[in-house]
Formats: sequence, C-alpha cells, structure tokens
Amino acid sequence: QITLKESGPTVVAPTQSLTLTCSFSGFSLRTTGVGVAWIRQPPGKALEWLGLIYWTDIKHYSPSLRTRLTLTKDTSKNQVVLRMTNMDPLDTATYFCVHSLGFWSGSFYFDNCGQGTLVTVSS
Amino acid sequence: QSVLTQPPSVSAAPGQTATISCFGNRFNIGETYVSWYQQVPGEAPRLLIYDNYRRPSGTPDRFSASKSGTTATLDIAGLQTDDEGDYYCGAWDNSLSAGVFGGGTKLTVL
Repeated sequence: QITLKESGPTVVAPTQSLTLTCSFSGFSLRTTGVGVAWIRQPPGKALEWLGLIYWTDIKHYSPSLRTRLTLTKDTSKNQVVLRMTNMDPLDTATYFCVHSLGFWSGSFYFDNCGQGTLVTVSS
Repeated sequence: QSVLTQPPSVSAAPGQTATISCFGNRFNIGETYVSWYQQVPGEAPRLLIYDNYRRPSGTPDRFSASKSGTTATLDIAGLQTDDEGDYYCGAWDNSLSAGVFGGGTKLTVL
C-alpha cells in the first residue's frame, strides 16, 4: 500500500523560502520508472503541476517556476524535499506530493496522492 | 491559464451520460498519454483513467475515456449523485518537458 504525506510550515512570509517534505512508503525511489511529483491547488482553483524527480535523480520543473523551485530526494529516508524561493501571496495553495508513473510511455500520471498541506503566504 | 482546456462546467441528470472534453496541442495530448482525475471538494484528486483509456482497479466501468488527435474525452455513464465533483485531465508536454493539467470541469448531477 502506497502512502505519501506532506509536512512543513503552514504560513510563510512573502519573499521567504518554503521547504516541504514528502515522506512516503510502499514504494522506493530506487525502483526504475518511479518518480515523485509535486502539484498544488490555490483555494478554489485548478491543479497546477510543479515538478517531478525520478529514481535517476533526473528532474523536471514547470517553466514558470524553474528559477524558484528545487526538488531533492533522500532515497534512504524515503523522502522528497521541495524548496521554493521568493514566496508570494499568489503561491498560497494546498501542496500535494504524488507517486508519479508514466516514465516508460513518455507520459505523466499519478496513482497515489498525499492528503495535501495548505501553505499560506502572508506577513 | 491552464495548458489544457476544459469546459468549466457540465451537468446531466442521474442515469444519463456526461461527457467532458479536454483540448490540447500536438506536444501534449497529440504526442503523449492522457490521464483523468476526480476531485471531491476537500479531498485530494483521485486517478480515474491513465494511458488515454485504461482504468485502474477501483474505477467503475461507467467511466470511459478516449483520445483523438489533440482532444481527449471522458464519458461517465449512468450518472450518480456521488459522481459530482471536479474532473481534471492531465498529460505530459514534450515542448515544455513538464506535466500539464486542464483547468478542471465541475460536474453537477441534476
């Protein structure tokens, strides 16, 4: 059974950085074809894809966030860390980490999702 | 502004079929596989369809999907009130080297 859980601050001040940790179980980032992605959802709005890290440590980022976003993995701890710099109130959203598949078909989808964590950017 | 385009809302009566479209371009839907997700308010999104039409275990066969060119379609037959929620399409975009989602469609079962 795959589970993922996001943790981190609930409030971040504008211009500060956000660090979220995704702790997962039921799969390993040593397994070929596996990735962990982050998506977010501002209140009342649509899903937004943020980034993806594969078992190979290859990373992909949303073009609009590429200069602000960094994903890292700790395979031994079964964790993926998201760091986003220069936070803005428009970054207020629920952040989800997901178990990503589709590598072998050149696609993207996720079959398991964390419960999400609401991050509010406010002073 | 989402890369994939969906109608904001769709409604249909119980027992009827609802159809949700997802419009992309040749770099995303045209070249890669489409997935569909259901999201009930206050909950995380749930995978309904992957690889254009495949259903994971747990997705009822009332849910079906297809793709033609740069358009994907999700059909929900025998609508139930429990089907109400937001539906999102997703894909990989080869020109962006990133995942993309649609803006979501709110399904109302009248």
